[in-house]
Amino acid sequence: EAQVTQNPRYLITVTGKKLTVTCSQNMNHEYMSWYRQDPGLGLRQIYYSMNVEVTDKGDVPEGYKVSRKEKRNFPLILESPSPNQTSLYFCASSFTAGVSSYEQYFGPGTRLTVT
Amino acid sequence: KNQVEQSPQSLIILEGKNCTLQCNYTVSPFSNLRWYKQDTGRGPVSLTIMTFSENTKSNGRYTATLDADTKQSSLHITASQLSDSASYICVVAGVQAGTALIFGKGTTLSVSS
Repeated sequence: EAQVTQNPRYLITVTGKKLTVTCSQNMNHEYMSWYRQDPGLGLRQIYYSMNVEVTDKGDVPEGYKVSRKEKRNFPLILESPSPNQTSLYFCASSFTAGVSSYEQYFGPGTRLTVT
Repeated sequence: KNQVEQSPQSLIILEGKNCTLQCNYTVSPFSNLRWYKQDTGRGPVSLTIMTFSENTKSNGRYTATLDADTKQSSLHITASQLSDSASYICVVAGVQAGTALIFGKGTTLSVSS
């Protein structure tokens, strides 16, 4: 089954404790992206990757890191989480970037709470 | 500034009724427009993708229209069902690679029996 998976689905952590949210897709997609979703603000892009070893900042990259060492995986790293990073996070992938008409597939989401 | 505005912000309708959601955008140059359905706490799921040359596209009871001249799109839901209760997000793709998708804030639809 074609899908984007994220782990963990739910996470409660404390300020400053490094964490990683994993994202994996099995569709051989080149393009992957991370979004956060907050009430009243909609989906905002954090980082994206056009292909292996190619990553770039989205609209809200502060406090986040990413890496793309393999085509299928695109982990999101919070080196020192803060309460303002409490949010619902989505990973997404598509064959190429959004300028094409290829569909973008979203993962199930990771709800992160930082206390 | 590239923006996508959706209206109404929320909507309540009775089961079986039709409804129309609106999307206005200022993204230019424009590549394609998408409508997504997002159930509470879950990832968005694509309903339609339209390029600038397409005026209408259907997916079951969902019909999207696009007027690229006025930069407006609508999503019409026919014979609504309880399962249509969700957030509907309009997303516009510009032609710049990478950060090309501009997201609207969504319309929350509640279908009651």
